[in-house]
Amino acid sequence: DGGITQSPKYLFRKEGQNVTLSCEQNLNHDAMYWYRQDPGQGLRLIYYSQIVNDFQKGDIAEGYSVSREKKESFPLTVTSAQKNPTAFYLCASIGTGNHYNEQFFGPGTRLTVL
Amino acid sequence: GQNIDQPTEMTATEGAIVQINCTYQTSGFNGLFWYQQHAGEAPTFLSYNVLDGLEEKGRFSSFLSRSKGYSYLLLKELQMKDSASYLCAVRLSGGYNKLIFGAGTRLAVHP
Repeated sequence: DGGITQSPKYLFRKEGQNVTLSCEQNLNHDAMYWYRQDPGQGLRLIYYSQIVNDFQKGDIAEGYSVSREKKESFPLTVTSAQKNPTAFYLCASIGTGNHYNEQFFGPGTRLTVL
Repeated sequence: GQNIDQPTEMTATEGAIVQINCTYQTSGFNGLFWYQQHAGEAPTFLSYNVLDGLEEKGRFSSFLSRSKGYSYLLLKELQMKDSASYLCAVRLSGGYNKLIFGAGTRLAVHP
């Protein structure tokens, strides 16, 4: 079955540590996104990538980094520079061409900084 | 700047109809999405509008007026499982397929 996978589902980190969240899709989608959601709030865009080896900062990119070396993968690193990293992180992708209207989300990773 | 407004909370009765509104002011427009999100879960895609008018999909319908910067999601024959947050998102024009989300509307369906 096609879809987006994120791992791990729950992640705990000590302050000062970097951590990488995985996002993989087998939908053959070109565009991929990372969002952050805080309790009772909407989704805020961290980074997005339209094609391999290209990505753009979203609205809250500070303290985060990404890479897009393969079409299927778009990992997000939460660095120690991110001052308030505890949140629900969602990865998404959108198709192109005939699938331009479809956007799918992964199950999310809930990150807690201890 | 970009702005998307939705009511924060709504309540409705099982079996009834509810309309969730979304207004937007964005620098460019290339489509509007509606999502459903249950607590602690990822959003799931409900509908997409890019042209004016009504799109119907089972119990859910979505309407768009680009000239008014306005959309609504209509839920018919409400069920208890429809209790969730409903997110409105606008895709901006331009080459990078960027989406801006509203804060979401939390819908509570009562028996």
